Amino acid sequence: DTAVSQTPKYLVTQMGNDKSIKCEQNLGHDTMYWYKQDSKKFLKIMFSYNNKELIINETVPNRFSPKSPDKAHLNLHINSLELGDSAVYFCASSQDWGVSADAFFGQGTRLTVV
Amino acid sequence: GESVGLHLPTLSVQEGDNSIINCAYSNSASDYFIWYKQESGKGPQFIIDIRSNMDKRQGQRVTVLLNKTVKHLSLQIAATQPGDSAVYFCAENQNTGNQFYFGTGTSLTVIP
Repeated sequence: DTAVSQTPKYLVTQMGNDKSIKCEQNLGHDTMYWYKQDSKKFLKIMFSYNNKELIINETVPNRFSPKSPDKAHLNLHINSLELGDSAVYFCASSQDWGVSADAFFGQGTRLTVV
Repeated sequence: GESVGLHLPTLSVQEGDNSIINCAYSNSASDYFIWYKQESGKGPQFIIDIRSNMDKRQGQRVTVLLNKTVKHLSLQIAATQPGDSAVYFCAENQNTGNQFYFGTGTSLTVIP
């Protein structure tokens, strides 16, 4: 069983479109995260949810909106996609707030905006 | 082989040699550090962690050293194997909001 699963794994879309990436964890963790990894492999946290409540919202354009329908899911919706949004997006989860030794990352979603 | 992290983002070592990957962290208040390994096409995976009250921690074939005086962290991999080829990240908990910040990453290539 996959601990943290993201869909889709690859996403190619045109500028201006709206798209969503889904994330589910079956670990019973309380906290979930979205990270963005750019072409230079730099990983930056975007959002963190603890028990469905937004805890961290780093400086991210408001075109990005996370949604947590329940503790096991944290989806990322992106409006009006831009070329600079092209990156790999990783979902992660941990039992406690703050990435810790028990944090698990998903396989990533490679988003390409053309 | 040894890398300087931010200045040498790639490191190549011969199979069987020891590898040293370095990381300079930014915040003297950081109290918890993690090394992650990211293989191609996969998400980061926990390798080893260390708290600021320690200066050394050993795992299976890996050792993390922490030097708080100069804000430096290193990951030593003994008898490096081809399966160790990956990008390695250090992450620091800056003790502000309990979130982690990732370093630049170092790409390790093991030559058979």
